[in-house]
Amino acid sequence: KAGVTQTPRYLIKTRGQQVTLSCSPISGHRSVSWYQQTPGQGLQFLFEYFSETQRNKGNFPGRFSGRQFSNSRSEMNVSTLELGDSALYLCASSTRTGPNYGYTFGSGTRLTVV
Amino acid sequence: GQNIDQPTEMTATEGAIVQINCTYQTSGFNGLFWYQQHAGEAPTFLSYNVLDGLEEKGRFSSFLSRSKGYSYLLLKELQMKDSASYLCAVSPTDSNYQLIWGAGTKLIIKP
Repeated sequence: KAGVTQTPRYLIKTRGQQVTLSCSPISGHRSVSWYQQTPGQGLQFLFEYFSETQRNKGNFPGRFSGRQFSNSRSEMNVSTLELGDSALYLCASSTRTGPNYGYTFGSGTRLTVV
Repeated sequence: GQNIDQPTEMTATEGAIVQINCTYQTSGFNGLFWYQQHAGEAPTFLSYNVLDGLEEKGRFSSFLSRSKGYSYLLLKELQMKDSASYLCAVSPTDSNYQLIWGAGTKLIIKP
């Protein structure tokens, strides 16, 4: 079966602009989680969507937002970009049922803010 | 608070054995995951431990002690391709299935 697909793979934006990233989960997975990863910081949780509802949220400013569509595809948006937003953004999909729920990552979108 | 600790970096020799430790303090415990992440790539699933003890999968094994809040990943017969970051993550009981992640251990394999 197809894996988690993230688009685009690479993105360069200017400070102050906004950006939208996309994530298509594995077929049948209804949960999508978003993470920011920077060198030395590990995975920082942004938010999780399940059946079009935000179920969990991390400690990021309101400039970071997301949504999920009825087909489970998810988008995250970052407005008023700052240099510090440069990072690898990963999404992970899961069945979100049972203890080992097949948490699978996409290849990520590498965002560079200049 | 909830916390997961892993060494930042480790170095080992090709063909040798290395143990990567992970300690955690979380509100309840469902299970513990290990993921491997090569530079610039997505993390990939290695193992999932729920009960105490050692689980072996080929060259990789993962150990869990729930009472001690401790796990380790054991890599045998190291190969150059094992150079990667290894991420430990815990599923607490009150997190609505959201995982808590360690910062990862960068493993460098030398010939």
